[in-house]
Amino acid sequence: GIQVEQSPPDLILQEGANSTLRCNFSDSVNNLQWFHQNPWGQLINLFYIPSGTKQNGRLSATTVATERYSLLYISSSQTTDSGVYFCAVSGGSYIPTFGRGTSLIVHP
Amino acid sequence: DTAVSQTPKYLVTQMGNDKSIKCEQNLGHDTMYWYKQDSKKFLKIMFSYNNKELIINETVPNRFSPKSPDKAHLNLHINSLELGDSAVYFCASSQVQPRTDVAKNIQYFGAGTRLSVL
Repeated sequence: GIQVEQSPPDLILQEGANSTLRCNFSDSVNNLQWFHQNPWGQLINLFYIPSGTKQNGRLSATTVATERYSLLYISSSQTTDSGVYFCAVSGGSYIPTFGRGTSLIVHP
Repeated sequence: DTAVSQTPKYLVTQMGNDKSIKCEQNLGHDTMYWYKQDSKKFLKIMFSYNNKELIINETVPNRFSPKSPDKAHLNLHINSLELGDSAVYFCASSQVQPRTDVAKNIQYFGAGTRLSVL
């Protein structure tokens, strides 16, 4: 199946800082989603982005499908951005595969 | 008006017991999923149903049996619980059957059920 690698595994920021999270995948994909798992465990959709660029407030994401990676940008980070960010993809088998996540802590 | 709701939120039980987790979605989606998240937060798909039909069945012990009485419900029954079953189980739903039209296959997750086997 498709392998999904996320980096960095851990990230600590001061409030107001910017960051870039990366998701690499080993094969072509037809679905890609970014999720935020908040400290209470809820998985929240951020972006559905199998290709191209999208923005939503302070968050934006870019997927370069031909080069098999996606980036999630967080600008002007806030303490409420803390949690784990997951990338999930599916390819020809249509079986969703999650990366191991980036754990983000934003200090006030 | 929770879109994907799971019950119970917490489940503490003894080894060897049988337990069920229920999931309901009110999004009108055709496809539902069960995932297991382990202690290191790794999320792995277990099952997927489309319109009450099993379409994804990953390598899961046959002690786990999903049941879908209708497309809005997907329950998970676990027999003879073991210590290693302790995890958070998430239900999810999406609009599109995974193996056909891939457009807009956006998954929405429930809040999770934390299962502790003692």
